Amino acid sequence: DAGVIQSPRHEVTEMGQEVTLRCKPISGHNSLFWYRQTMMRGLELLIYFNNNVPIDDSGMPEDRFSAKMPNASFSTLKIQPSEPRDSAVYFCASSLDQEDTQYFGPGTRLTVL
Amino acid sequence: AQSVTQPDIHITVSEGASLELRCNYSYGATPYLFWYVQSPGQGLQLLLKYFSGDTLVQGIKGFEAEFKRSQSSFNLRKPSVHWSDAAEYFCAVGAAGGSYIPTFGRGTSLIVHP
Repeated sequence: DAGVIQSPRHEVTEMGQEVTLRCKPISGHNSLFWYRQTMMRGLELLIYFNNNVPIDDSGMPEDRFSAKMPNASFSTLKIQPSEPRDSAVYFCASSLDQEDTQYFGPGTRLTVL
Repeated sequence: AQSVTQPDIHITVSEGASLELRCNYSYGATPYLFWYVQSPGQGLQLLLKYFSGDTLVQGIKGFEAEFKRSQSSFNLRKPSVHWSDAAEYFCAVGAAGGSYIPTFGRGTSLIVHP
C-alpha cells in the first residue's frame, strides 16, 4: 500500500489567499484525522472523520478553517483567508477504526507570508 | 477524557548508551497506548502499541515499552541507542469502544551524541 498521501508537500502563499490541502487515506481505513504541528503548540488535532462523517471539529481554530470528506478516499482542509499564524505543518492520518493505530502522511508544510 | 504527559522535553544520550523516555497517562479504565517516532521532515511512524495482554511490548527498531498500571506509565526503552535514533518521540493514549481517539503528548526530543 502507498500509505497516506498528502499534497502538496510544500505550500507558500500570501496572506488572504485561499489554501487547500489534500489527503488520500489508506484504502479500507474508516477514520481520517487532520493535525497541525507547530513549535509553540505541538501536535494539535483539528478534526476527524469516521466513515466520511465529521465527528469532532472542536480543534478547528476558527471559521476560516473547513474540512470535507466527500468520499472514503479523499479529504480536504481549506483555509480561507489564510494568515501568517496559520504557518505550520499539517498532517493527515488514517486508521481502521477511530481508536486504532493512526498512520500518518508526510505532511504539508504551509508558509503564509 | 484521557490525557498523556511526557515530562521530558529534551533527552540527550551518548551513542551506545541505554535510553528511557517517560510517558504518564490519565484514564480510568484500561487504555490503549502508543509510541510514535518522528524523524526530521517526516510524519509520525508507529513504534509499538499496547492494547491488552503482555505488559512488555516489543516494537520496531529495537524499542520496547512496559505498561505499568500502578504507575499509570508506559515508558519507552532501548538498551543501546544509535545515532539514527535521534528524533522526536510521541506517546499517545486512547481507549476501546470508539469513545476516545488517541491523545498525543507534547513529545520528547532525543539528541544522540557520538
